Amino acid sequence: GNSVTQMEGPVTLSEEAFLTINCTYTATGYPSLFWYVQYPGEGLQLLLKATKADDKGSNKGFEATYRKETTSFHLEKGSVQVSDSAVYFCALISQAGTALIFGKGTTLSVSS
Amino acid sequence: KAGVTQTPRYLIKTRGQQVTLSCSPISGHRSVSWYQQTPGQGLQFLFEYFSETQRNKGNFPGRFSGRQFSNSRSEMNVSTLELGDSALYLCASSNTGVGGTEAFFGQGTRLTVV
Repeated sequence: GNSVTQMEGPVTLSEEAFLTINCTYTATGYPSLFWYVQYPGEGLQLLLKATKADDKGSNKGFEATYRKETTSFHLEKGSVQVSDSAVYFCALISQAGTALIFGKGTTLSVSS
Repeated sequence: KAGVTQTPRYLIKTRGQQVTLSCSPISGHRSVSWYQQTPGQGLQFLFEYFSETQRNKGNFPGRFSGRQFSNSRSEMNVSTLELGDSALYLCASSNTGVGGTEAFFGQGTRLTVV
């Protein structure tokens, strides 16, 4: 079945450091891929998405590229801020699917 | 426009009781999905409704059920509560609920079973 694997956390960085959170997936066909962010005590917010191979999703300085050849969707940001501290979830949904499949989440902690 | 609203935000129930959680989707959205979030299992899909019909169901026991009303509002019910049902329950709404359509999440209902 479909699945998402993302790097274990926590990830601890200093402000202005470069961020990479790895995400790989297993799926048949051409799923859509997402990164969601969850701040303490909150629900999930969509950070970015990509719906086909080689698409690059971007938002608030975060980027991720849909790589079908490596079945990956790694999240990157060039310079993190303290306010980026949160839990990040990689997720997929199949083309005709109605259920998001999530990775386990990666906790990011940024210190000043 | 208003976001997804889940009520109540917090609940404490006793083992064996039942509970009903409510979700009001974004106006115009016809798809509502429910997810359970726990530290051990992460985020797991419960079920999805579209125009009052359940289109998809995750791998949860029959104690978990849901419904959707004609105004797209949805409720989920958990009967005979167990300690392991303690979790954050998240509701998401979207236009079609299919494929790459963006899903908008509510803040969740934190259920504690004692």
